[in-house]
Amino acid sequence: AQKITQTQPGMFVQEKEAVTLDCTYDTSDPSYGLFWYKQPSSGEMIFLIYQGSYDQQNATEGRYSLNFQKARKSANLVISASQLGDSAMYFCAMREGKGNQFYFGTGTSLTVIP
Amino acid sequence: DVKVTQSSRYLVKRTGEKVFLECVQDMDHENMFWYRQDPGLGLRLIYFSYDVKMKEKGDIPEGYSVSREKKERFSLILESASTNQTSMYLCASSHLGSTGELFFGEGSRLTVL
Repeated sequence: AQKITQTQPGMFVQEKEAVTLDCTYDTSDPSYGLFWYKQPSSGEMIFLIYQGSYDQQNATEGRYSLNFQKARKSANLVISASQLGDSAMYFCAMREGKGNQFYFGTGTSLTVIP
Repeated sequence: DVKVTQSSRYLVKRTGEKVFLECVQDMDHENMFWYRQDPGLGLRLIYFSYDVKMKEKGDIPEGYSVSREKKERFSLILESASTNQTSMYLCASSHLGSTGELFFGEGSRLTVL
């Protein structure tokens, strides 16, 4: 079974609008961390936001927020007020417990339209 | 500025050649990883290491080996490159512990002819 599932290969959003990128995960470990990364066309992977499984509140970092629904095992990324520079691939990832492995989804390509 | 540095951004090799991809991090991280990225497949883990001289197989280790002789350096080796190893290779590092994110290098795009 896939550890991380991203079901949206591509998304479009109008500039200044908000967009939600979906991510579901699969784990039986009560302790885990969820991450989102951005990969622009230049190729570097940029860490955006982190959510721990025991965190009571949804994580936020500037225009990025993580909509964490533990019972549904979802960790959707919300980008508010989209900018042209947000056009990129976005990857959801999970790290289980104190394990050393990170599991990545297949990514969502976001295009921001002027 | 903390960094993960990969030795080559672009490489072109011939089938059967031995290929070394080097990765160095300056953050004193315990964990280091090699991923392969292909369109539609996301990032797939090849090998990782949590200590000097230690290595663990990831999801797709076949055709690859690794070396970690020093804490800061993690090398990926293709003993005999094949065309299906044409890909983007990403090195990453992290601290031990559940909240440590991965820090990535800029990637090495390998083409095997």
